[in-house]
Parts: sequence; structure tokens; C-alpha cells
Amino acid sequence: NAGVTQTPKFRVLKTGQSMTLLCAQDMNHEYMYWYRQDPGMGLRLIHYSVGEGTTAKGEVPDGYNVSRLKKQNFLLGLESAAPSQTSVYFCASSYAQTGNQPQHFGDGTRLSIL
Amino acid sequence: AQSVAQPEDQVNVAEGNPLTVKCTYSVSGNPYLFWYVQYPNRGLQFLLKYITGDNLVKGSYGFEAEFNKSQTSFHLKKPSALVSDSALYFCAVRDILLRGNDYKLSFGAGTTVTVRA
Repeated sequence: NAGVTQTPKFRVLKTGQSMTLLCAQDMNHEYMYWYRQDPGMGLRLIHYSVGEGTTAKGEVPDGYNVSRLKKQNFLLGLESAAPSQTSVYFCASSYAQTGNQPQHFGDGTRLSIL
Repeated sequence: AQSVAQPEDQVNVAEGNPLTVKCTYSVSGNPYLFWYVQYPNRGLQFLLKYITGDNLVKGSYGFEAEFNKSQTSFHLKKPSALVSDSALYFCAVRDILLRGNDYKLSFGAGTTVTVRA
């Protein structure tokens, strides 16, 4: 029972490089989310998806793009990485019911932009 | 709008003593409230939630939380802390009157709990 799996776990990029973070869930959840975690700031929502083929912006979407081509996968892309995007990125998923269901989180991707 | 505040960056207690982690929230309607715990190099793990009903909610690992509507608080408690409870704790809120079906949560900044042996 894997739950939410994020790859890679660690990555170092140079400014201007691009990369894609992959999130996969095996719980048949409709909703998926990408957050970034920075010290003292809690979790901030980057983008989210309410179902296959749909995405929407969260609190801090600038510099990121996402895609949800399959229900179980949610990809986060950085087109041109900047040092301000150094962070720990978490993916989460949840059932689409009444909003009272907890979100299930992956173990994160630690990303450093030099 | 919805928001949550965790007024303490750090909480330090001795093993065996009671542990309290504070959380206050702000919503337009009624809240759904959640507590999560994060261990080093891991993702957030769900501890407990308040939806409706009893103000005292019991969760995983012996934790409980008390919902207080008049004080807009949802403090996390454990009667007897363990060294293994040392972690980062997050409170989160969802305003059930918020429009949209995206079920977004607002998280607090987190409280680091250290339990000394």
C-alpha cells in the first residue's frame, strides 16, 4: 500500500534549468495538490486538480505548471528554475466528497536551485 | 477567507508531562479542522479532525484536540508526552461556507515539539 509516491526525492538544479516532479497515488483519489514548504511559512498551495484533465492555480502558482493526464498522476513542472524555488515540495491527494476528508501526503522532493 | 494561526513556534516538554499545541482559526462560516504531524524528512501524517459533534476529538497515537467555537481554537493535547512525539505539528482549516469544490486547506506555520527524556 504505497499511498502517495513522489519522485525524485532530491534534486539540485542550476538557475534556468527545467525539471518535472512526479506524484503518483494508488488510492483512486479524485483530488490532488502540490504544496511547497518553506521554514516558518507552513505549506502553501501551488496548483491543484479536482480530476483527470483538470488543473487550477493555488496561492503561489507563478513559475510552475502542472498536468493531470491520468487520474493517478499529477506532474509539477519548473520551466526555468530560479533560486527562489528552492524548497521542499509535497504532493497530496484526497477523496472528492464534502471537504471533510484528510489529505494524504507524499514524503516530499527536496529541490535546490543554485 | 480562512486562516489559521499557531502562536508558538516551539514547545518543549519533559517526557511524561502533558503536551499542548495551540491553534486558532478564522473562518466566515463553520470550520473543518485538522491536525497533522511531520517527522524529519517525511510528509505530513493525519492525526485527527473536527467536523461536527463532540468538541473533544480523539485521534492517532493518543492525541486529542478540543474544539472551542467561542475562542475559535482547536488545541492539540496529549496527556503524557513521549520522546517519540518530537516532531513538527501543523493545524489546518477549511471553511465549509467557502465557495467551490476544491477543498483547499489553509495551514498554520507549524509548531516544533521537543520532548526531552
